[in-house]
Order: sequence, then C-alpha cells, then structure tokens
Amino acid sequence: EAGVTQFPSHSVIEKGQTVTLRCDPISGHDNLYWYRRVMGKEIKFLLHFVKESKQDESGMPNNRFLAERTGGTYSTLKVQPAELEDSGVYFCASSQRPGSYGYTFGSGTRLTVV
Amino acid sequence: AQSVTQLGSHVSVSEGALVLLRCNYSSSVPPYLFWYVQYPNQGLQLLLKYTTGATLVKGINGFEAEFKKSETSFHLTKPSAHMSDAAEYFCAVSAYLNQAGTALIFGKGTTLSVSS
Repeated sequence: EAGVTQFPSHSVIEKGQTVTLRCDPISGHDNLYWYRRVMGKEIKFLLHFVKESKQDESGMPNNRFLAERTGGTYSTLKVQPAELEDSGVYFCASSQRPGSYGYTFGSGTRLTVV
Repeated sequence: AQSVTQLGSHVSVSEGALVLLRCNYSSSVPPYLFWYVQYPNQGLQLLLKYTTGATLVKGINGFEAEFKKSETSFHLTKPSAHMSDAAEYFCAVSAYLNQAGTALIFGKGTTLSVSS
C-alpha cells in the first residue's frame, strides 16, 4: 500500500507570503494528524482530523494556520501570512483507528521562511 | 500532563558496540510508549511500542526497549551497532486529547552516530 505522501518536500518562501502544504493519507485511514518540528525543539502536535471533521486543533499555534480536509481524503495546511518562526518540518500522519497505535508518518515538508 | 525527556542530544558509538538511548517519561495514567527513528531525508518510522503486557519490547532492526515503571524509563538498546543505525531517534508517550483519541508527546530526539 502507498504510504503517507506529503508535498512539497521543501518550500522556501518570504515572510508575509502564503504557503500551502498537502498531505495524502493512506487510503482508508480516517484519522489524519499534523505535527511540526521547529528547529531544536520537540515534534509537536498541531491537530487531528477524523474524516473531514477537526477532532482536536489544540496544538495550532495561531490563526495564521488553517487546516482543511476536503471530503475526508487529503488534507492541506495553509500558513498565511508566514512568519520567520513558522520555519520547521511539518509532518503528517494517518491511522485507521484513533489513538497512537498505528501512526504512519509522511516524510515531512521542510518549510523555510526568509 | 505527559512529558518525555531524552538524555543526550547526541550519542556516538563504534560499529559493533552497544547502543543505549535513554528516555524518561512523565504520565499520570498508564503510558503507551514509542520509539521512532528518522533516517536522513525520510519520515518517522516506528521502531517499537509498549502498550500493555510484557515490559521488554522488541522492535525492528534488532532494537529493543524495556518499560520500567518504577524508574519511569523506556530506554532503547541494541547489542551491536551497525553503520546503518545512524539516524535520529525519538521517544514518545501518548497523551489523551479527548474521547476520540490521543496524540503523541515527543522528546527532543537523540542523534546516533556510528563510526567504523
């Protein structure tokens, strides 16, 4: 089966611009998660979708971040406008069941804001 | 609240030597514990996990970890390091979000270097 696909793999944008990250989960996985690792820090939870609904978005840093999951399939994470502190690696993960039993992570998108 | 501490941001070993990566956790409920590995330019790969039952957990690539409740530890070991083990390793504990599921709380990661 295909894994979790994220693209772009790298993105370099200027401060104030908009960037959209995309995640394609494993087919049939209702649960989709976004995580982020800022340089030198821990990987941190951003939000959790169950199908197309946001189950928990307590980790979203501020309202410049908007996540969507159209039709319960792929998900996008938009940052608008981007700030320097948004630089980091954004990971997506999916699972059949809610919870941490069977996360499959994507390769991540490395975002650099200059 | 749950938290994870990984002792040592960098660990260097010689090929064939014992690998020991340390992880201590804090959890108010019985923890589910995980080790993930990230090879260069790849995603996070699950090495092993502890949920319930046997406290010594075996994972992929010859790694194992032991859950020690009294020490709140979940250290990762491998008897003999290979060059291919060079990567970044993350310890994580599950944290309840709400009734629908959990999220992972990660440590800061430990970079393992293996020299010949």
